[in-house]
Amino acid sequence: DQQVKQNSPSLSVQEGRISILNCDYTNSMFDYFLWYKKYPAEGPTFLISISSIKDKNEDGRFTVFLNKSAKHLSLHIVPSQPGDSAVYFCAAGGDMRFGAGTRLTVKP
Amino acid sequence: NAGVTQTPKFQVLKTGQSMTLQCAQDMNHEYMSWYRQDPGMGLRLIHYSVGAGITDQGEVPNGYNVSRSTTEDFPLRLLSAAPSQTSVYFCASSWTAPFSGNTIYFGEGSWLTVV
Repeated sequence: DQQVKQNSPSLSVQEGRISILNCDYTNSMFDYFLWYKKYPAEGPTFLISISSIKDKNEDGRFTVFLNKSAKHLSLHIVPSQPGDSAVYFCAAGGDMRFGAGTRLTVKP
Repeated sequence: NAGVTQTPKFQVLKTGQSMTLQCAQDMNHEYMSWYRQDPGMGLRLIHYSVGAGITDQGEVPNGYNVSRSTTEDFPLRLLSAAPSQTSVYFCASSWTAPFSGNTIYFGEGSWLTVV
């Protein structure tokens, strides 16, 4: 059973606009959430995280929002840049359960 | 700075063969893990280790063995390869277990095809 779900396999946005990537989880005990970015033929790299005691964490162009009641988190990228084109994974839980990933394409 | 190093990067196996994917990290991390990535499935945890001499099963451990004799190394063994094990394998490490909020560092991946 997938405890972390990313229901959108792909997302395409125009350069300069906002990208919003979504993630849902089922286990209310999860207390730490991370987003990873993955380019082709490379390992995932850490992007941003959020603890369950917060509802927002910001790092430059990247902001993660957590809605615990809805068991939902989202990653906002503003403004989106072509170099942001990659697969984005959300992860949660003590043993780091990952979602299936969303492929973001930012068009120039 | 090497970080997490995986070898080999590419491997083709015949059904029934065994092999070992090597993983080494030079960051003195206690926690190491192996994931496999399949289309539409994301990254699934195979086995993990919270320190030398300690290993445990993840989501999809069947068909794989691990050992952790040193802090640096965490090899993944395929006992009798099956086509269902065709995947991309990632080794990862972090200071302590991820639920402590520690970032996981990944290797570059090993592409395994079982024919």
